[in-house]
Amino acid sequence: DAGVTQSPTHLIKTRGQQVTLRCSPKSGHDTVSWYQQALGQGPQFIFQYYEEEERQRGNFPDRFSGHQFPNYSSELNVNALLLGDSALYLCASSLAEKNYGYTFGSGTRLTVV
Amino acid sequence: DAKTTQPTSMDCAEGRAANLPCNHSTISGNEYVYWYRQIHSQGPQYIIHGLKNNETNEMASLIITEDRKSSTLILPHATLRDTAVYYCITLRGNTGKLIFGQGTTLQVKP
Repeated sequence: DAGVTQSPTHLIKTRGQQVTLRCSPKSGHDTVSWYQQALGQGPQFIFQYYEEEERQRGNFPDRFSGHQFPNYSSELNVNALLLGDSALYLCASSLAEKNYGYTFGSGTRLTVV
Repeated sequence: DAKTTQPTSMDCAEGRAANLPCNHSTISGNEYVYWYRQIHSQGPQYIIHGLKNNETNEMASLIITEDRKSSTLILPHATLRDTAVYYCITLRGNTGKLIFGQGTTLQVKP
């Protein structure tokens, strides 16, 4: 049973560029959440998608946007990258109607130079 | 969601039980207590959760006090692979955002 799959695992971007990160949820899950984890800090909630709609959003600027597809996979887009966007980006999936906890992927390490 | 307080770090001898405390004095009646851990450079891993009864699974036990203001995660026989940052989080249901604090860094020593 495949868990949460994220791609790419690492990437380097230049300040001002745009980036798209991808997430495939665990089989059977319908809800996808994205988190940003700076070095030495706990993960911070960016937003959550359910039924292809953004259901909740954390305290992140509009440069951060997302999408969920009919197959429940999701993308995180970040525009106009800043040096401070360098972080580990984590995707977590869950099943909305069940209280089984979130399953996290291993993350995408983004470095902005 | 309630704020949680955890010790910054703890040590445990390999093979002994690791008891990780968490205070959540402002928890409301419909909030669950979740525990996750994060091993270096990996995504957080779900361990266990509970509402008011003690819970046990293949990884750990969760003891919640009767007033629900605190809880303890117990790893019965800690191994070196249990070295990680452990996060205690309170959450309504399964659809809310997880609010991670600094967690407890558990170091299991041989």
